[in-house]
Amino acid sequence: DQQVKQNSPSLSVQEGRISILNCDYTNSMFDYFLWYKKYPAEGPTFLISISSIKDKNEDGRFTVFLNKSAKHLSLHIVPSQPGDSAVYFCAARIGNTGTASKLTFGTGTRLQVTL
Amino acid sequence: NAGVTQTPKFQVLKTGQSMTLQCAQDMNHEYMSWYRQDPGMGLRLIHYSVGAGITDQGEVPNGYNVSRSTTEDFPLRLLSAAPSQTSVYFCASSPGPNEKLFFGSGTQLSVL
Repeated sequence: DQQVKQNSPSLSVQEGRISILNCDYTNSMFDYFLWYKKYPAEGPTFLISISSIKDKNEDGRFTVFLNKSAKHLSLHIVPSQPGDSAVYFCAARIGNTGTASKLTFGTGTRLQVTL
Repeated sequence: NAGVTQTPKFQVLKTGQSMTLQCAQDMNHEYMSWYRQDPGMGLRLIHYSVGAGITDQGEVPNGYNVSRSTTEDFPLRLLSAAPSQTSVYFCASSPGPNEKLFFGSGTQLSVL
């Protein structure tokens, strides 16, 4: 049972345009969400996060939106750059478990930014 | 800045062989964990540790053992490798219970 779903395995966007990556979750106990970025042959690296008490968090070109009623979050990248080409993982956790290690990951979306 | 170091980067095993995947971090992080990544499955938690001497099971612990004798090291042991354990394994650490994870670069394991 996939509790965190990324239904788009891949996405192609032109340089300079907006990239929107989507993530849905089924467990209403999740209250903290993270996005990780992964390049080939490297481990995932943290990108941005959002607590369930917020509906938006922004960091430079990256913005994450959370819609709790729809159990949906999205990552917006504006403007997209070729260096953003990577696999993006959505992850979630139940905040009061007291450990950051117990993340539930989605299956990832491969973003390709073309010139 | 070494961060989280995993060895080896690649390994091929025969069914039934045993081996240990090494993970070391130099950031003095209390929390460490092991994930495996399979096509179409995302990353799944195998085992985790909240400090030296304390470990617990994650989502897919069967076939794996861990121990945490020091803050720095968190090895993952495969006692009798099976083809179903062919995967990419990632070790991660974090400084606190609600902090982001720092990942190693992974070990690609093939079991024939």
